[in-house]
Amino acid sequence: EIVLTQSPATLSLSPGERATLSCRASQSVSSYLAWYQQKPGQAPRLLIYDTFNRATGIPARFSGSGSGTDFTLTISSLEPEDFAVYYCQQRNNWPGTFGQGTKVEIK
Amino acid sequence: EVQLVESGGGLIQPGGSLRLSCAVSGFTVATNYMSWVRQAPGQGLEWVSVTYADGNTHCADSVKGRFTVSRDSSKNMLYLQMDSLRAEDTAVYYCARIIRGHPDYWGQGTLVTVSS
Repeated sequence: EIVLTQSPATLSLSPGERATLSCRASQSVSSYLAWYQQKPGQAPRLLIYDTFNRATGIPARFSGSGSGTDFTLTISSLEPEDFAVYYCQQRNNWPGTFGQGTKVEIK
Repeated sequence: EVQLVESGGGLIQPGGSLRLSCAVSGFTVATNYMSWVRQAPGQGLEWVSVTYADGNTHCADSVKGRFTVSRDSSKNMLYLQMDSLRAEDTAVYYCARIIRGHPDYWGQGTLVTVSS
């Protein structure tokens, strides 16, 4: 099983700041990595799939990059609604695994 | 509009059974990959099962032999039959559609609590 390790566990930032979230895979997942946002009491929402493709309706401030084992989700300028937990997920090794999450909290 | 609505959760004693339902509108269950994903309280996300368009299902090792997935094409529904429930099965259970290997549309979830 491919293990995804997300860092940091918690990111404390202010609105308007740039957020950089990391996801590292225990072995290559090629480009088959997605990112999700989850707010309390809500289902996860797909943000990015296959490393850099934004899902429908996702604002351009969210971007993804990376390949192989190292991936990054960047939020260029945090909006109040962006404070949430973010998960990465790989589909290279079906049915895929999730990371443990990074919480982006208001500083 | 795409909608997935789970139901059937509740409080159940260890060793008991529950059947979760996922009512889908806006796309056809039988022609899509579907999944169940769960989230224990305060924890991360865990795959429970994936059902392929041909009807075959892959279940996580943690539930294999205890959970069964089925679907009803006439009702456009997905089901999760959960038997021999354990305390560690306590979680919110989500059904989701899978596109390109990633869950894109999710239901709101249904809470299953296994406790005596």
